[in-house]
Amino acid sequence: DTEVTQTPKHLVMGMTNKKSLKCEQHMGHRAMYWYKQKAKKPPELMFVYSYEKLSINESVPSRFSPECPNSSLLNLHLHALQPEDSALYLCASSHPGGGWANEKLFFGSGTQLSVL
Amino acid sequence: DAKTTQPPSMDCAEGRAANLPCNHSTISGNEYVYWYRQIHSQGPQYIIHGLKNNETNEMASLIITEDRKSSTLILPHATLRDTAVYYCIVRVEGADKLIFGTGTRLQVFP
Repeated sequence: DTEVTQTPKHLVMGMTNKKSLKCEQHMGHRAMYWYKQKAKKPPELMFVYSYEKLSINESVPSRFSPECPNSSLLNLHLHALQPEDSALYLCASSHPGGGWANEKLFFGSGTQLSVL
Repeated sequence: DAKTTQPPSMDCAEGRAANLPCNHSTISGNEYVYWYRQIHSQGPQYIIHGLKNNETNEMASLIITEDRKSSTLILPHATLRDTAVYYCIVRVEGADKLIFGTGTRLQVFP
């Protein structure tokens, strides 16, 4: 199994809603990532988890709250989002350790989020 | 991480080789060159990576200049399914980050 599965594929939410994006992998990867991608722009790194601990937060607003409950799962909790947060949210995973530079990332197909 | 410069778009005829250039003139000795591509409505897909030697796999070849300031991704026989945005990325050994540049939009035409 070389897949990263993201759910839901599409999400529409109001600015007062609370929702969560989910990401799952069963490749034994211990590093997991959240990226945000606006239309016609490259993916932007948001968070990195290494061995279930948050290792990188790219100054993301607190209305985005990541969670890594175990080595296979990654969540992104959303609260009080703004319309400009509408984007494709991508999850990725990789093997950490032993030279990160040699470890390729596997990406999911993303969740297309619309904030009304 | 070193910045990369890529042409915003390129065209290639189906069946011909697609040569995608990338400049990374400020690359450091411990930075690898990675290539990913993103087909419309999908997540990015790893293609190939290298440090200083040329590399080849089932998808593509990577040619890195001797001074490592630039590289070229070669798709030897482009197909319509190779139409995508191709990202050249440099990444420090041991770093958690993979930072995407603006990429090259490759259009393969019949």
